[in-house]
Amino acid sequence: DIQMTQSPSSLSASVGDRVTITCRASQGISNYLAWYQQKPGKVPKLLIYGASTLQSGVPSRFSGSGSGTDFTLTISSLQPEDVATYYCQKYNSAPLTFGGGTKVEIK
Amino acid sequence: EVQLVESGGGLVQPGGSLRLSCAASGFTFSSYAMSWVRQAPGKGLEWVSAISGSGGSTYYADSVKGRFTISRDNSKNTLYLQMNSLRAEDTAVYYCAKDRREGVVAAPTGSDYWGQGTLVTVSS
Repeated sequence: DIQMTQSPSSLSASVGDRVTITCRASQGISNYLAWYQQKPGKVPKLLIYGASTLQSGVPSRFSGSGSGTDFTLTISSLQPEDVATYYCQKYNSAPLTFGGGTKVEIK
Repeated sequence: EVQLVESGGGLVQPGGSLRLSCAASGFTFSSYAMSWVRQAPGKGLEWVSAISGSGGSTYYADSVKGRFTISRDNSKNTLYLQMNSLRAEDTAVYYCAKDRREGVVAAPTGSDYWGQGTLVTVSS
């Protein structure tokens, strides 16, 4: 099965900073990748699908890129409400494996 | 408004069984694949299983294959997860999630709506 590896596992950044999270697949998955945000005590929220397509209602400061094995989620200007754990998920074929998550905090 | 309400969680002994249900409303249930995703306390998300809108295709994580069975009743707008031979490592909050893409026979592609989850605890 394809493994999904996220890095870093956690990060701390200042409000207004540009934040980048990486997700790497152990084999190519084309652009069949989604990103989710899970705030503390809340259910996950779909941010991006197709590696780069923003889900309706998601702020434009979030963006995704990549194809094949390497993917990136970028928050262009970190806001206090972005404190959360972010997960990538592959969906080219089952199993629809999640990455281990990246916890984002405010410095 | 899309609503997903899970039920059926609880405390069960190792080796026991539970059946989770997810009542769906606010969308054409039979047109969307559905998934179960779990989250152990303090841990990350783990995809468990999915089923196509028609129910004709099912998908499982290796960790639950042969023990869990996903099914759906489109006449009742309800998703199920039958869990047998439960282990301590199955302890988690189980979420029901709707696929983002419409398609009766479509494979799962990521989930745009999630229920609040139901807690399953496997312990003696």
